Amino acid sequence: DTGVSQDPRHKITKRGQNVTFRCDPISEHNRLYWYRQTLGQGPEFLTYFQNEAQLEKSRLLSDRFSAERPKGSFSTLEIQRTEQGDSAMYLCASQARGRGRPDTQYFGPGTRLTVL
Amino acid sequence: GDSVTQMEGPVTLSEEAFLTINCTYTATGYPSLFWYVQYPGEGLQLLLKATKADDKGSNKGFEATYRKETTSFHLEKGSVQVSDSAVYFCALSDRVQGAQKLVFGQGTRLTINP
Repeated sequence: DTGVSQDPRHKITKRGQNVTFRCDPISEHNRLYWYRQTLGQGPEFLTYFQNEAQLEKSRLLSDRFSAERPKGSFSTLEIQRTEQGDSAMYLCASQARGRGRPDTQYFGPGTRLTVL
Repeated sequence: GDSVTQMEGPVTLSEEAFLTINCTYTATGYPSLFWYVQYPGEGLQLLLKATKADDKGSNKGFEATYRKETTSFHLEKGSVQVSDSAVYFCALSDRVQGAQKLVFGQGTRLTINP
């Protein structure tokens, strides 16, 4: 257990529905990342928060995706009008603020999304 | 853009065998390098890391050396155990301010038979 929790662990939805995932990072970690992992592949970066500010978004993050981190604590990732291609494991990672050198990113267990 | 290429899997070995999983990278800057492991049913865990050329990361009997001249970060273990069965991911992170996003390889599934 890394101390990062994600909810739900599994989500099955029908195409066209909206889904929302939650990530609770390690307390006092001010950096939070979302990644997506499809079957047989490594995780791919989606977006990054420093405190409550979303500072970077991947081109993978279409306009159907939105992420928030109110008050710089937990984060949510919403997918609107889901498509079958959205089926994947969505991973959250938290990181303490470093001084230039990369500190370890601690990953949650992930939310597995299946779009029927 | 930056990329990581890992040895194709799956890899199957007998207990106590020597393990090498190859990893090479392409990066414009001076990245830090990582090996993450994903045990069955669990999340990604950091196994080891190296932040500059010639650094050696080590943990749980695993080692990897940051080789800038060959842009490689191969994972090795002298004697594997059944409990080492997992998926191993090589990754890099740019050493810049702001987002230190990880770029992962595709993963190598390792199975150790008793």
